[in-house]
Amino acid sequence: AQSVTQPDIHITVSEGASLELRCNYSYGATPYLFWYVQSPGQGLQLLLKYFSGDTLVQGIKGFEAEFKRSQSSFNLRKPSVHWSDAAEYFCAVANPTNTGNQFYFGTGTSLTVIP
Amino acid sequence: DTAVSQTPKYLVTQMGNDKSIKCEQNLGHDTMYWYKQDSKKFLKIMFSYNNKELIINETVPNRFSPKSPDKAHLNLHINSLELGDSAVYFCASSHDRGRQETQYFGPGTRLLVL
Repeated sequence: AQSVTQPDIHITVSEGASLELRCNYSYGATPYLFWYVQSPGQGLQLLLKYFSGDTLVQGIKGFEAEFKRSQSSFNLRKPSVHWSDAAEYFCAVANPTNTGNQFYFGTGTSLTVIP
Repeated sequence: DTAVSQTPKYLVTQMGNDKSIKCEQNLGHDTMYWYKQDSKKFLKIMFSYNNKELIINETVPNRFSPKSPDKAHLNLHINSLELGDSAVYFCASSHDRGRQETQYFGPGTRLLVL
């Protein structure tokens, strides 16, 4: 069965520091992977996605993620965090069905940025 | 323009009541979804709806029923609300049902059942 694990429930970083959020997936076929961000009181916004090709994916707001099949991981990174990056981050794997594309989300990682 | 919108944003109601949450997308997408986000931030799909074909997550109680008057709308009706229904409900849409389709999410409806 497909699943997504985000091992870190909460991470705190200083503004300007680098960031890496971990995501591990379990999926039988080639995974289609996504990272979403949820700001407080807001909906989910797509940061980036991976379907195939280059394993290093660039997204919005300076984020990138690297797909590593051998490690079943799709970690999200940012070289320098801004205070506005404080939010909840969700990794997801897409599972195709006969009538739709169902997403399975991880439990999220809450990011706090300290000045 | 808001791509996926939901109303209301907040909903506080008594146990046993019936309520509806509306979702509209102006993206011209063919597939729409409802997700439930619990207090631990875990997002779980409830329904997906494509061209009048509904896929129901088997763990969803039959008190929950999606209704789609047209392709741009997928409303969620909940009967006999229970305390455990308190959560944030997200609507989403995608162009098609392929694996490469990105899902676009609404802002969520925060439901509190007292």
